Amino acid sequence: DAGVTQSPTHLIKTRGQHVTLRCSPISGHKSVSWYQQVLGQGPQFIFQYYEKEERGRGNFPDRFSARQFPNYSSELNVNALLLGDSALYLCASVHTRGVGETQYFGPGTRLLVL
Amino acid sequence: DQQVKQNSPSLSVQEGRISILNCDYTNSMFDYFLWYKKYPAEGPTFLISISSIKDKNEDGRFTVFLNKSAKHLSLHIVPSQPGDSAVYFCAASGGAGGTSYGKLTFGQGTILTVHP
Repeated sequence: DAGVTQSPTHLIKTRGQHVTLRCSPISGHKSVSWYQQVLGQGPQFIFQYYEKEERGRGNFPDRFSARQFPNYSSELNVNALLLGDSALYLCASVHTRGVGETQYFGPGTRLLVL
Repeated sequence: DQQVKQNSPSLSVQEGRISILNCDYTNSMFDYFLWYKKYPAEGPTFLISISSIKDKNEDGRFTVFLNKSAKHLSLHIVPSQPGDSAVYFCAASGGAGGTSYGKLTFGQGTILTVHP
């Protein structure tokens, strides 16, 4: 079975540009979550999408947006990039069970903003 | 406000010994807890989880203990192997609903080094 895939693996942008990151979840999973991880910290929740709807959102500005497609893949968009947006962006495929959700992460996209 | 804390930035153990990684949380609404392992340049890998209705869960060499009254969980790895050397994150979810739905709250991570 294919795991979570993300593209691209690395990206370099300049301040003010926008970026689109892509994610495909594990087959059969209908929900994806996006996280930002900066060096030395744990991942920070950006939002979760389920059945193409945003179901939860973390403390990130409106410059961050996402969408989910009918095949459950997802795109994360960040507008007006700032230097502080440099980070590893992780997508997680969400498996919902009776007692909780287990999230399986992809390899991430490393974004550098210059 | 750091709702999930891993107070030990690093841990060093000898191969074959037990590794114990600790995690504390403050939000009493959390009801599901997970441990992840992360190698450099990779995404976190799910290891083991536990719901708040249990106090222990085992999977092979990995055991997670949950002490709800102390808001504390720990991951035991027995026996430790050099391939276990990585950053370990604990994470918590649940309870809040609303805009926090689907959110995992992570600790800062603990670097485990297992020496041969």
